[in-house]
Amino acid sequence: GAVVSQHPSWVICKSGTSVKIECRSLDFQATTMFWYRQFPKQSLMLMATSNEGSKATYEQGVEKDKFLINHASLTLSTLTVTSAHPEDSSFYICSARVFDSAYGYTFGSGTRLTVV
Amino acid sequence: AQSVAQPEDQVNVAEGNPLTVKCTYSVSGNPYLFWYVQYPNRGLQFLLKYITGDNLVKGSYGFEAEFNKSQTSFHLKKPSALVSDSALYFCAVRDSGNTPLVFGKGTRLSVIA
Repeated sequence: GAVVSQHPSWVICKSGTSVKIECRSLDFQATTMFWYRQFPKQSLMLMATSNEGSKATYEQGVEKDKFLINHASLTLSTLTVTSAHPEDSSFYICSARVFDSAYGYTFGSGTRLTVV
Repeated sequence: AQSVAQPEDQVNVAEGNPLTVKCTYSVSGNPYLFWYVQYPNRGLQFLLKYITGDNLVKGSYGFEAEFNKSQTSFHLKKPSALVSDSALYFCAVRDSGNTPLVFGKGTRLSVIA
């Protein structure tokens, strides 16, 4: 149980375009979703925390106008990379808090974004 | 603020030998500690966690970890490594509340046949 489905798995886009990444909780209600970014051979860096129905809280140094996060329902959170540039190329992973579970958190399978 | 240190970028071990992946942490209150494994271009898979109770925690795929409060460590161990254990391993911590996990930089484990 407690599966988060993340799509797309990979995407290639041109500089200047926008890309939307979706994370859906399939069998539970995700009141809180965390968005991470992972550079090659590096750790996961928290970008923002989103709570259903409210504005996301961004970590220091993360541009909120560039990385738009929407968490309008208990089963869907989206991250939109606006006006993407090559330096935005990265692996993006969402994670949901799962209460009353043995593992506490569940992670999406990640999205590999390449901006050309 | 909480933090995690994984001092080794890479750990190499022969198949069948025991393995240890090190992790130390820093939190202001009681720690909630996790280990995850990541395969290439994939999300994170949960291995085990420590919240309270026995210091030795047993998890998935034969992995275990020992919580040591005095040394603020939570090393991951497995008695007999498999080639299929080769992956990237992350230690993570959070304090109490609905807070996100803070991850270590990761340790790449390579098990050689």
